[in-house]
Amino acid sequence: AQSVTQLDSQVPVFEEAPVELRCNYSSSVSVYLFWYVQYPNQGLQLLLKYLSGSTLVKGINGFEAEFNKSQTSFHLRKPSVHISDTAEYFCAVSAPNFGNEKLTFGTGTRLTIIP
Amino acid sequence: DGGITQSPKYLFRKEGQNVTLSCEQNLNHDAMYWYRQDPGQGLRLIYYSQIVNDFQKGDIAEGYSVSREKKESFPLTVTSAQKNPTAFYLCASSIEAGGSYNEQFFGPGTRLTVL
Repeated sequence: AQSVTQLDSQVPVFEEAPVELRCNYSSSVSVYLFWYVQYPNQGLQLLLKYLSGSTLVKGINGFEAEFNKSQTSFHLRKPSVHISDTAEYFCAVSAPNFGNEKLTFGTGTRLTIIP
Repeated sequence: DGGITQSPKYLFRKEGQNVTLSCEQNLNHDAMYWYRQDPGQGLRLIYYSQIVNDFQKGDIAEGYSVSREKKESFPLTVTSAQKNPTAFYLCASSIEAGGSYNEQFFGPGTRLTVL
């Protein structure tokens, strides 16, 4: 079975500063990795995903993430944040052999942008 | 516009009562899912359905029931057997089951409060 650890439950960042949200995973097989964003009182929306190929993945809203197999990490980054980036961010993992139902989520990181 | 609708947005229930949460999608997706979200715990899978008239238990199915009589509908019933039902419930769908690389699309959620 796979698992996901998001090391920071809350991250405050000043507007226009860079941000990195950390995600580490554990799995005995190869994985697919996802980042979702949840704005207050809403559902989740896909930011980006890594399936294979280039380890640097670009997503929506200027976010990107880098898959690092040796460190079992998939950290999310943005070079300059905006007030509208205030939300909760979830890292998720699935394994090719198990099917879509085995999407395992981390506990989330709440990103707060300080004006 | 295609998407997932959940109703109601807020729901209040007295202890000992069953309540049904609605989830409808017009994306023509085969697979549908129900998640429960609690603060600091991420999303946990309650039930999922890969095809009409078929569904499987997720990680926390006790005290819940579902049906999948139509492709576009996947209602969730929270029964009186669920010991701690107060939570935010999210419905999701994906184009097909069995493909763990597929993005899941989420509805806006229903916040259930037991009084």
